[in-house]
Amino acid sequence: AQKVTQAQTEISVVEKEDVTLDCVYETRDTTYYLFWYKQPPSGELVFLIRRNSFDEQNEISGRYSWNFQKSTSSFNFTITASQVVDSAVYFCALIRRPGSARQLTFGSGTQLTVLP
Amino acid sequence: EAQVTQNPRYLITVTGKKLTVTCSQNMNHEYMSWYRQDPGLGLRQIYYSMNVEVTDKGDVPEGYKVSRKEKRNFPLILESPSPNQTSLYFCASSLLAGVADTQYFGPGTRLTVL
Repeated sequence: AQKVTQAQTEISVVEKEDVTLDCVYETRDTTYYLFWYKQPPSGELVFLIRRNSFDEQNEISGRYSWNFQKSTSSFNFTITASQVVDSAVYFCALIRRPGSARQLTFGSGTQLTVLP
Repeated sequence: EAQVTQNPRYLITVTGKKLTVTCSQNMNHEYMSWYRQDPGLGLRQIYYSMNVEVTDKGDVPEGYKVSRKEKRNFPLILESPSPNQTSLYFCASSLLAGVADTQYFGPGTRLTVL
């Protein structure tokens, strides 16, 4: 069985602060893919990033960065200089190796509130 | 514009009254899926479809039906809705070319069953 844990249910920061959202996953597969999605107050799910299990390079996209560490089964997400528009629920998710149902296993989400 | 659309976006109904939530994608994706989102549980897969006429159960299929007669459409059917099916529903689609395919989600359908 696979599992994604987002231990931080809610985080509140003041604008311009950096914030890291934690994601820990469990899987027996050696090939898997990790994702982050953003759900703003309007409710849609917005794809942010995909990372495969063989690529542990960290990735940066503007104010967003992701730290993937297989040794600790973590795929953490950092927002630098947070803005009010970053307020949303963020989901970490996992897909198993090829041949499976391509079912995304989601964490329970982290509600991020950025205060002005 | 490439997108996944769902209708209706909001629905209030009563127990036992059959309903259908439609999902359509214009990206020629082979894979489509339905999820439900409940507080504290994240999203859980209801059903998925690998291609036309190919569907299978996800983690929480009880009380739901689906069909895939055309590549672009994947309706979710609740034959006899119950209050525990009150939830936020998302349809998603992706190319079938490998598990790395990103799933793109529709805008969601908020269903309330009284």
